[in-house]
Amino acid sequence: AQSVTQPDIHITVSEGASLELRCNYSYGATPYLFWYVQSPGQGLQLLLKYFSGDTLVQGIKGFEAEFKRSQSSFNLRKPSVHWSDAAEYFCAVGESKVDAGNMLTFGGGTRLMVKP
Amino acid sequence: GAVVSQHPSWVICKSGTSVKIECRSLDFQATTMFWYRQFPKQSLMLMATSNEGSKATYEQGVEKDKFLINHASLTLSTLTVTSAHPEDSSFYICSASQGALDEQYFGPGTRLTVT
Repeated sequence: AQSVTQPDIHITVSEGASLELRCNYSYGATPYLFWYVQSPGQGLQLLLKYFSGDTLVQGIKGFEAEFKRSQSSFNLRKPSVHWSDAAEYFCAVGESKVDAGNMLTFGGGTRLMVKP
Repeated sequence: GAVVSQHPSWVICKSGTSVKIECRSLDFQATTMFWYRQFPKQSLMLMATSNEGSKATYEQGVEKDKFLINHASLTLSTLTVTSAHPEDSSFYICSASQGALDEQYFGPGTRLTVT
């Protein structure tokens, strides 16, 4: 069974600083990988996804992530953080199943706080 | 495109009553819908997967008689929490997918508080 680990429960960065959120996965085949962001009391918004092809994926809001098969990682990065980026971030691995859509397993999440 | 709505956004009910949460795909037909539960400061846990016209598939440990899921059309799925108890208080999130290789589109969530 697949699993996702986000080693950092909380991260605090200063506004304007760079950001990297770590994600490691365990999956037998080529994974479908996702990063979602959740603001308090809200649903999930997709930042970016990796299905195949270029291992560096660009997403919305200036985020990018790099798939590294050798390290089983899919870390999320942003060169300059804005105060509005403060939220909970979830990494997820998807498994395509017949008649079950693309089933997701989520990591535990990383809460990002941004200092002014 | 790919908008999913949930209703209500929050609900308070008394212990022992039942409450229904609706999940709708507004601009696409959802072959599969998913229901998740999220406790405060925790991740999303998949409760069940439902395909239109079929019985839902529940994850291990989720009581199917307590959490009734109906997916009667390609745009609507409902989750009914029967005989709710305070420990059922949680944030319930649905998502919808158009097919096996399609991503999931998430609703805004419903916060249930059982008093």
